[in-house]
Amino acid sequence: SQQGEEDPQALSIQEGENATMNCSYKTSINNLQWYRQNSGRGLVHLILIRSNEREKHSGRLRVTLDTSKKSSSLLITASRAADTASYFCATDAASGTYKYIFGTGTRLKVLA
Amino acid sequence: GAVVSQHPSRVICKSGTSVKIECRSLDFQATTMFWYRQFPKQSLMLMATSNEGSKATYEQGVEKDKFLINHASLTLSTLTVTSAHPEDSSFYICSARDWGTAFNEKVFFGSGTQLSVL
Repeated sequence: SQQGEEDPQALSIQEGENATMNCSYKTSINNLQWYRQNSGRGLVHLILIRSNEREKHSGRLRVTLDTSKKSSSLLITASRAADTASYFCATDAASGTYKYIFGTGTRLKVLA
Repeated sequence: GAVVSQHPSRVICKSGTSVKIECRSLDFQATTMFWYRQFPKQSLMLMATSNEGSKATYEQGVEKDKFLINHASLTLSTLTVTSAHPEDSSFYICSARDWGTAFNEKVFFGSGTQLSVL
């Protein structure tokens, strides 16, 4: 399969706790992006990290990238009930195909 | 920021009919658009790459005659699900790259179309 793998598949935490999701991919990439999707809706872009970057922050989000391990992580700090959603990583392969391939996703549930 | 408009957002049709979904880039030219399909509680699977003025490139396992893609202009790509059957019921979402930005990395997604075939 061309898809990347994400773990865990599902995560349930209490409000205020941190949530960490991991993404592994298979090929060399130009960049990796994280998206959020609320049930039955479109995608919301969260953050982009380029292949020459190791860490990026955006508000309560922290993304790391380890190209040697072909993996990335998304950390959401001080989670809120509104963070309940599915989270996907998407990779832009360096092969020049210009298409984004999505990971399997993590379903996050934040309990109030 | 750049916007991609997808229409309709929801469609219900009878088995055997064809359904057309439109994807428009509203404020940039998109020579390349992408079509994805998503089943409930699953990830987005890339179906095809739509190229303006040329044939679409389909991913392995996607039926070309079933999912017709037309990209006749720099701002519009259409996906037609021909002779739809209940197993075609799914969430379809398009995306477009804004090649005008540095690194050509910007990609924008439509809001998706929920297709239900009765």
